[in-house]
Formats: sequence, C-alpha cells, structure tokens
Amino acid sequence: RKEVEQDPGPFNVPEGATVAFNCTYSNSASQSFFWYRQDCRKEPKLLMSVYSSGNEDGRFTAQLNRASQYISLLIRDSKLSDSATYLCAVNWGTNAGKSTFGDGTTLTVKP
Amino acid sequence: DVKVTQSSRYLVKRTGEKVFLECVQDMDHENMFWYRQDPGLGLRLIYFSYDVKMKEKGDIPEGYSVSREKKERFSLILESASTNQTSMYLCASRNTGTISNYGYTFGSGTRLTVV
Repeated sequence: RKEVEQDPGPFNVPEGATVAFNCTYSNSASQSFFWYRQDCRKEPKLLMSVYSSGNEDGRFTAQLNRASQYISLLIRDSKLSDSATYLCAVNWGTNAGKSTFGDGTTLTVKP
Repeated sequence: DVKVTQSSRYLVKRTGEKVFLECVQDMDHENMFWYRQDPGLGLRLIYFSYDVKMKEKGDIPEGYSVSREKKERFSLILESASTNQTSMYLCASRNTGTISNYGYTFGSGTRLTVV
C-alpha cells in the first residue's frame, strides 16, 4: 500500500460544477499537509496548505480529518482554467520538511 | 516570489556519461530537494539537504549523488547515466522556521533523456 493515495480519477466535470478530491495517508504521525496543482508539462505549484481546522481560499476549500487520516480538496464553481492534475503531499517524521506525494488526480473541466 | 532555477530545460546525454543538474534558489531557503517524476510512479524523492554541506538520501538515491557547497545551490549528479534515469527531474526549496506548513517552490524541471 502506498503511503499517500489519491482518488484515481480522471474527473471530467462541466463548468460550474463542484468537485471534491480525497487523499489518504498511512502514517498517523503526519504533521503537515498540502495540495499542489500541476499543469501539463509544468512543475507543481503550491495551491494551499491544509490546516487542522480546515481552510478556504476563494473557490477552494481544504479539510483535514486526522481520525480517518485523509485530506480533501473541494473546488466550487469549476472553471475551465481549473483543468490540471492535483497532487496531495504529506510530511512526517524527524525530517518533517520532506514531502511524500500522491500520484495525482486529473481534473478536466468542460464547457 | 521565490525563484528556483534549474539550469537546463531539456538535456540529452549518452549512457555512461556523468551528468550534472544544477538548481539555484534566491530566497535563502535552508531546505532543498531533488525529485524525479515518471508517469505512473509520481514524484519520488532522490536526495534532500537541510543546510549547506548537509545531505540525506531520499527514497531512490541509487545511481545519484548531490552537492551543496553554497546555500543557494543544490546539484544532482548522475555518476554514470543509464537509460532508466530518463525522467523529469524537479528541484524544490522550502522555507523553514516555526511554522511547519511551508510548502515547496519547484523549479521548472529538467527533462533528461539518456540514449
């Protein structure tokens, strides 16, 4: 079993839809959590950190469920420009600065 | 904004060559990382460094080494390139401090082909 697992996708949704991605992690001592966005043939870019109480940035909401060991990303009112691969990342251990990434979920938003 | 610069966008090397991939960041970050990204395998950590002259193995260090002589520069070295090292290589840096929720800033990547 992978240490960080994501919904396999792909997700194909119409503009304006609400879409949610989940990411599960195996290590209960995990300390930090992140969502990244990666466009085709580009580098990943930090979308948002995930805080214990949950956090929102415009149309994007991230939540953490420590008891069930998953994080989620909700995108409301999807735009064509949201089409990308979304990667989750988890940090744990004494070297808490290093991240383990999920394989990513691909989202395509269609007109 | 933090800028992480990788020296080459595309690189073609021959089997057996020694290959140097350079990465420079301009925000005085202590932590720097090298990953490779392959279809179906995701991002895998090769090496990382917490500070100058410090280095630690990641999940797949075999066939690679690193050098961090200056804080801003983290080099990945393929000692003897092989075809299975054909991949996208991504360098990242990260701020440190009392807040643990600093994510990475990635460079634009080097797509290496070993022939």
